[in-house]
Amino acid sequence: DAGITQSPRHKVTETGTPVTLRCHQTENHRYMYWYRQDPGHGLRLIHYSYGVKDTDKGEVSDGYSVSRSKTEDFLLTLESATSSQTSVYFCAISESYRGGEKLFFGSGTQLSVL
Amino acid sequence: AQTVTQSQPEMSVQEAETVTLSCTYDTSESNYYLFWYKQPPSRQMILVIRQEAYKQQNATENRFSVNFQKAAKSFSLKISDSQLGDTAMYFCAFMKLRFLSNFGNEKLTFGTGTRLTIIP
Repeated sequence: DAGITQSPRHKVTETGTPVTLRCHQTENHRYMYWYRQDPGHGLRLIHYSYGVKDTDKGEVSDGYSVSRSKTEDFLLTLESATSSQTSVYFCAISESYRGGEKLFFGSGTQLSVL
Repeated sequence: AQTVTQSQPEMSVQEAETVTLSCTYDTSESNYYLFWYKQPPSRQMILVIRQEAYKQQNATENRFSVNFQKAAKSFSLKISDSQLGDTAMYFCAFMKLRFLSNFGNEKLTFGTGTRLTIIP
């Protein structure tokens, strides 16, 4: 699992409340990613980070913000959760392998916004 | 922008048979990686196999192999001697390749997935 831990594993919240999801890695990887998974869409990139305090937007970044104050932690925040943000959220890290790259994923967080 | 298409939403096959999952992609890039990921009911995303576009030889990993047709932009996954544990969603994914200093910040573009059921 490349040392990736996501928390919480499940969360139920109400519309309009802020939510923060945490991704923690133990192997000092520089690059980290947040994806969301929805039926009929596969996985789509929300935000990614290429170092401490260095982040950039993905294809579905509206309504989300991220922070990375330490190499090991990448936080995803929903400032004011909406029902359209009900989804499974995956964190991933990029790892060099035989001269190339692979992405390894955490176990996911099921978020339900009521 | 890249797109990845998986045209088979669902498939099923008898245990021990061979099954092929289809994937096509669209890109203007000449150097890239292609991946198949497996997602069992546990929800974990598991890397099954990876193909470098600059390699002509098709990748294999035990019972899993790919048929990579670069000109046709096709990347199918063949599972031989299918087992009950192969029951899962399978996602095809594309990643651009960068040869210079920016290794590691590539982003995956996923297809919508194929739900594969192995029948006992």
